[in-house]
Amino acid sequence: DQQVKQNSPSLSVQEGRISILNCDYTNSMFDYFLWYKKYPAEGPTFLISISSIKDKNEDGRFTVFLNKSAKHLSLHIVPSQPGDSAVYFCAARIQGAQKLVFGQGTRLTINP
Amino acid sequence: EPEVTQTPSHQVTQMGQEVILRCVPISNHLYFYWYRQILGQKVEFLVSFYNNEISEKSEIFDDQFSVERPDGSNFTLKIRSTKLEDSAMYFCASSVKTHEDFGPGTRLLVL
Repeated sequence: DQQVKQNSPSLSVQEGRISILNCDYTNSMFDYFLWYKKYPAEGPTFLISISSIKDKNEDGRFTVFLNKSAKHLSLHIVPSQPGDSAVYFCAARIQGAQKLVFGQGTRLTINP
Repeated sequence: EPEVTQTPSHQVTQMGQEVILRCVPISNHLYFYWYRQILGQKVEFLVSFYNNEISEKSEIFDDQFSVERPDGSNFTLKIRSTKLEDSAMYFCASSVKTHEDFGPGTRLLVL
């Protein structure tokens, strides 16, 4: 199932700089997108979401951008903090459906 | 802040045995889910539950799986006859509308 893809398995960013995590999808029926963060031995924690009627949503240090024509979304974290080091999952949902389809995850490491 | 809880945190079982994974969703949530993540693979949807019945299930959720909400607080996943390939991290989740809140997971190891 390759409907949601995160092509970068890992990303390393210096503390204070911007982290940009990318996600691509193939199913044009997806209309709601979410980002989750996951620490080891914990469940995924919801970060931010965006509906397909928007192209940007912001919450504090986190901003999600959606480019529907490119079927691409990104998560920007600025400024990056050491506590942001985790695995980040992109997920998507088809309108009217309940299941989330997840990407493979990107491991973000914030270096001091 | 309310959270989803899961028990046990770890379970080891023999192939062919039945296991029950337990979850307590967030109290005012209406939708309940089970997901799993096999080591090195994506988090994948198993089943969703709403209004005391299954509302959606994946191809993985075959006859050996069942879910139940036996009382007003618990939500369980039963695997009737475990297989080696059922070894995974199982996450329970619940939601009101916009996003799922996940529990910490139960690591199931089938030997």
